[in-house]
Amino acid sequence: EVQLLESGGGLVKPGGSLRLYCAASGFNFNNYIMSWVRQAPGKGLEWVSSINSGSAYIYYADSVKGRFTISRDNAKNLLYLQMNSLRAEDTAVYYCARDVYCGGDCHSPIASDYWGQGTLVTVSS
Amino acid sequence: QSVLTQPPSVSGTPGQRVTISCSGSSSNIGGNTVNWYQHLPGTAPKLLIYTNYQRPSGVPDRFSGSKSGTSASLAITGLQSEDEADYYCATWDDSLNGHVVFGGGTKLTVL
Repeated sequence: EVQLLESGGGLVKPGGSLRLYCAASGFNFNNYIMSWVRQAPGKGLEWVSSINSGSAYIYYADSVKGRFTISRDNAKNLLYLQMNSLRAEDTAVYYCARDVYCGGDCHSPIASDYWGQGTLVTVSS
Repeated sequence: QSVLTQPPSVSGTPGQRVTISCSGSSSNIGGNTVNWYQHLPGTAPKLLIYTNYQRPSGVPDRFSGSKSGTSASLAITGLQSEDEADYYCATWDDSLNGHVVFGGGTKLTVL
């Protein structure tokens, strides 16, 4: 059974940092593109970042570029999101998501077929 | 403002057919495939339709997707009370080195 479990969320002051984790199980992690998607309170879904299986192709939303870093450890089946210079508008539930299997060395995400339950990040003084 | 435009809300009665539209541009929907997600508050989003019309296993055939030009649609037939949720379209956008874009979401109410 595919499982994605996020952790690392919490309360942080503006300008602070936080690292999110996503532990994956039930599938061959190093064959899939992975993404982070967030939902701010009362708002819709917003894509944050994606990384391909070999970490050669990485993409960021403009709203987080230069502040957030996505990475992965295929040996440990872990996806990370390092968040620096956090702002109030980064307050959201952050979801980890697996992409549909694309059959090989894919460069960009197609669709997210499995999602974690999310971890809440609150940026407030 | 979202890059993809969806109606904020739609409604229908049980058994009815409803559609949700998603309008984009040549850099996103016009040149890439469209996905649809169902999201209930407090739960993980669920993939309903991917690559325009394909359904993941377990998604009822009451849900169908289509795309034409720079627009896409999600149709739900035989509306059920458990279909009440938020629905989002999403696709790849080729501009700005490439990124994923979501629609603003549509709240479906089953009357």
